[in-house]
Amino acid sequence: SQTIHQWPATLVQPVGSPLSLECTVEGTSNPNLYWYRQAAGRGLQLLFYSVGIGQISSEVPQNLSASRPQDRQFILSSKKLLLSDSGFYLCARQGAQETQYFGPGTRLLVL
Amino acid sequence: GNSVTQMEGPVTLSEEAFLTINCTYTATGYPSLFWYVQYPGEGLQLLLKATKADDKGSNKGFEATYRKETTSFHLEKGSVQVSDSAVYFCALARQAGTALIFGKGTTLSVSS
Repeated sequence: SQTIHQWPATLVQPVGSPLSLECTVEGTSNPNLYWYRQAAGRGLQLLFYSVGIGQISSEVPQNLSASRPQDRQFILSSKKLLLSDSGFYLCARQGAQETQYFGPGTRLLVL
Repeated sequence: GNSVTQMEGPVTLSEEAFLTINCTYTATGYPSLFWYVQYPGEGLQLLLKATKADDKGSNKGFEATYRKETTSFHLEKGSVQVSDSAVYFCALARQAGTALIFGKGTTLSVSS
């Protein structure tokens, strides 16, 4: 089966600290992968997507970055977190007929 | 550009009531349409989808019909349960290989 893992599940970080969120996918090769952010009371905002190793497209300019060092690994990073980075971060992979399948998410609170 | 508009929540219903959550879209061509559900503290789960006009997606008693004439994909369920309490997102596929465009989500609360 195709499974998406996200780590960590929950994170509390001070403003100005770095960030690294990891997403790994099992059971599929060369998937399109996506990072979304869900802020409290809002919908989903696409942050980055990747169609292959080393290929990253950014949808929204901000202090976040993404990398894809391996086929099934997608990492979201920041050098210095802002209060506005708080939210629920979701990784997704693309399946058939444009369907997207989501991981369990990482809840980030920046204080 | 492409966009999705869904009704504002929260929607509060009693158990066994009829549910409708409206969703309309703006898009070029005929994109695939989706409903996702998010239970508290979890990621999104695909609830149902339709890939062409007049298709009806269905799952777990939920239904939605792709109406190109009204550019709508309303979600319905004949009898809701407390366990249906969640946030529901309507989405469309922008184009093959790219991300989905989501509505803002509608919170459903069902009481017994």
